[in-house]
Amino acid sequence: GAVVSQHPSWVICKSGTSVKIECRSLDFQATTMFWYRQFPKQSLMLMATSNEGSKATYEQGVEKDKFLINHASLTLSTLTVTSAHPEDSSFYICSARDSGRAETQYFGPGTRLLVL
Amino acid sequence: LAKTTQPISMDSYEGQEVNITCSHNNIATNDYITWYQQFPSQGPRFIIQGYKTKVTNEVASLFIPADRKSSTLSLPRVSLSDTAVYYCLVGEMNTGFQKLVFGTGTRLLVSP
Repeated sequence: GAVVSQHPSWVICKSGTSVKIECRSLDFQATTMFWYRQFPKQSLMLMATSNEGSKATYEQGVEKDKFLINHASLTLSTLTVTSAHPEDSSFYICSARDSGRAETQYFGPGTRLLVL
Repeated sequence: LAKTTQPISMDSYEGQEVNITCSHNNIATNDYITWYQQFPSQGPRFIIQGYKTKVTNEVASLFIPADRKSSTLSLPRVSLSDTAVYYCLVGEMNTGFQKLVFGTGTRLLVSP
């Protein structure tokens, strides 16, 4: 149980294009999902908290118009990197909190984004 | 949010017990302590969680003293596949937001 998936697992795109990353909780409902970014040899940095049916809450320094988050259902949150640039290249990881069990977060496998 | 402090790195050999200590002096009453393991290019994997005293599961044990200002993750008889980064986090469980702040983590290297 408690499986979180991400799609795609990796993506290469040209500078200026937009990229959408999906995060799904496969066997539980998640009213809250989180998006992290991780650069090589560094720790995870929380970007935003995604709440089902409402606007996401962004961490300080994260541009909400650059990183669009949609949490339209209890099992799906999407992160869209708009007009991606090489500096957006990173490892993006989502996590989900089981609504029925106030215990911990379960993480997806991550999405590697490379912007050329 | 309580800040955590861990050793940056640790070295061990196969078959040894590894203990990673995490300091969280400002832990709040409602905070739980959670440990995650992360391999390169993968998302963190939940290892163990506790509130006080001792918790044990099939992969690790977590020791938490009475003042809860620190905790120790114990990995019995490590193998090469336990080489990873281990993160200690503290956070409140029973609120709508369970925001976790990752510290630097401990990079464990297990050698033959």
